[in-house]
Amino acid sequence: KNEVEQSPQNLTAQEGEFITINCSYSVGISALHWLQQHPGGGIVSLFMLSSGKKKHGRLIATINIQEKHSSLHITASHPRDSAVYICAVVGSGGGADGLTFGKGTHLIIQP
Amino acid sequence: EPEVTQTPSHQVTQMGQEVILRCVPISNHLYFYWYRQILGQKVEFLVSFYNNEISEKSEIFDDQFSVERPDGSNFTLKIRSTKLEDSAMYFCASSGQGDHNSPLHFGNGTRLTVT
Repeated sequence: KNEVEQSPQNLTAQEGEFITINCSYSVGISALHWLQQHPGGGIVSLFMLSSGKKKHGRLIATINIQEKHSSLHITASHPRDSAVYICAVVGSGGGADGLTFGKGTHLIIQP
Repeated sequence: EPEVTQTPSHQVTQMGQEVILRCVPISNHLYFYWYRQILGQKVEFLVSFYNNEISEKSEIFDDQFSVERPDGSNFTLKIRSTKLEDSAMYFCASSGQGDHNSPLHFGNGTRLTVT
C-alpha cells in the first residue's frame, strides 16, 4: 500500500511569497493529482501529472518519478490561495485501489 | 463550465436508517467515483463505476454500500443501514476517460451526519 506524505502540514505566509508544498510516496505510481480543497469543503482538481512539470497561471507542479516526489509551487501568493492542498497518487498497477490521498497541507496566506 | 452536482448538501439521519446520496456527473463523462472524508481525516476512495458496473472498490465499500446509475444522468450511493462511523463528507467525481489517470471533476460534497 502506498504511503503518501505531505509537508508541511500547515503553512502560513504573507501575500506575495513563493510557496512550495511537497509530496512523497513510497511505491511507484502511474500518475499524481494535486487537488485544492476550499474552506467550505469542495474539491477542485489542479493538476494531474505523470512526469515532468505542468504550469497553470501562478501554479506549477513538478514530479520526479525516480525520487518518488512531487512539489506544488504557488508564485505571488494571494489570500484567495488559502486552502488545503492535497496530493493523491494512482498506483502503477492501474489504480486497483483507486486514489491514495495525502493528509493535505493547510495553507493560509495573510494580506 | 460543466459541473458535478451533489444533493443534498447536508443530510442528517438516524443510525440504522438507509440513505441515498445523489450525484449528477458531467454529461459526457464515462467514469464515476465516490470518495469520503471523515472530519479531520484524509480523503478516502470508496468506489469507481464504469459501463454500468463497479470497476474498483476499496475495503471501506462493504455490503452496506451500493452504487447505481438509475438513468442517464444520476449516480447514487446508498448506505443500507447507517452507522455512526459513516458520518463524513461524501464526494462524487467524474472523469471523461480512463481510470484515475485522467483529470477528475468533483462535486461539492454531501455532509452526512448519523446520530
